[in-house]
This record gives sequence, structure tokens and C-alpha cells, in this order.
Amino acid sequence: GAVVSQHPSRVICKSGTSVKIECRSLDFQATTMFWYRQFPKQSLMLMATSNEGSKATYEQGVEKDKFLINHASLTLSTLTVTSAHPEDSSFYICSARALGGSNEKLFFGSGTQLSVL
Amino acid sequence: KQEVTQIPAALSVPEGENLVLNCSFTDSAIYNLQWFRQDPGKGLTSLLLIQSSQREQTSGRLNASLDKSSGRSTLYIAASQPGDSATYLCAVIRQGAQKLVFGQGTRLTINP
Repeated sequence: GAVVSQHPSRVICKSGTSVKIECRSLDFQATTMFWYRQFPKQSLMLMATSNEGSKATYEQGVEKDKFLINHASLTLSTLTVTSAHPEDSSFYICSARALGGSNEKLFFGSGTQLSVL
Repeated sequence: KQEVTQIPAALSVPEGENLVLNCSFTDSAIYNLQWFRQDPGKGLTSLLLIQSSQREQTSGRLNASLDKSSGRSTLYIAASQPGDSATYLCAVIRQGAQKLVFGQGTRLTINP
């Protein structure tokens, strides 16, 4: 089946630094990628939707200048948490929709646990 | 605004029991509903997908039903095993939309 690789799986950083998370579709082309965040014992909340070659669409309440999303190719999307603060500590997951696929075929990365000290 | 609710939030049962997880959604105009499994600190694995025109889907010991008119879905797990311990999430896609709306999940523990 399709594989989405997400790196790093875990990152610890100091407050004020920036962290980049990568999401790659390994064996298919992803026209659309979604970025979610998940707090402990809570559900996934969509942060933004990115389409290859265009600007990401952010959900209400998500700061686009803080969470920079780049979808430069059909196999790679990145999320950069800029000037991270402890409240940004969370589990971030990406998902990818296959090119030509219906909305129902979404493949998820394994997630990134971000801890900001 | 679509809201998805899962009951119970946590469930602990002995190995071998059959169990039912519940999911409800407020807007019945959905395109499909999916059940996912999430292990601690991991991503999501899709278990079953039910199209809005379908009433149920089965995969091995799992059976998911959908009653769109009442806004409900159930995930039935037969003969539960310790390896089934995980968080189970349901999610819906609204007609004409791209994004999944997730429930809060049910944390399932199967005791040997």
C-alpha cells in the first residue's frame, strides 16, 4: 500500500527555535497534503491543507506566519514551526491524498512528537 | 459545523469479549465515514471506510455500520485480543469537502 514517511518522529527543542517537519509520499504523487495536530487524549485537529505549487489554506485560529507550510513538489510537504514555544508542544501528523484519487484515499504519516522546553 | 462524538472515551474489557464502539455526527450530509486505529505516539491506520450510500463494511473481526439519517456509526470488534488495544478514531468527510473531521477517539484496552 501507499506509504507516507514523516520525519523526525520526535524532536525536542529550546523555546524560540524553529523546527521543520517533513512529510514525503514514497510511492505515489500527492496533490494535496493535510497537517494535523493532536494534544494528549484529544482528537486530531486540522491545521492546514496544502496543494502542490500553491499557498496552503489554514484553518481558523491557526497562525500562518507561525506554522509555515511548503508543498514544493508532488512528494514533499514541510511544516515549519517558527519561534516555537512550550504551548506548541504537540503531536503533529501529516496525511497525503494520492494524485487522481478520491478524497477517501488518504494516507497518514507516523507523526512527530514535538516538545518545546 | 460538523461535530463528531465518540462514546465511550475509554473502554477496558477482558480478552475474548465482543465489543462495540460508538460514533455520532451532527451533519448527515457526509460523503463517507472512516474508522482508524492509532497506537500510542504513532500515526493512523485506516480500518474501514463506509460510503454514504452503504450501511456496513466488514474486515476480518471488524464490522462497521452506518446509519446516516440518525448520524451514527458503530465499530464492532469480535473476539477481542490484547493486540487490539489502541485508540480508535472515527472521522467523516462532508459532501463537497476535502477534510476529515475526527472524533475524540475511544481508548480501548484488552486485558489478557
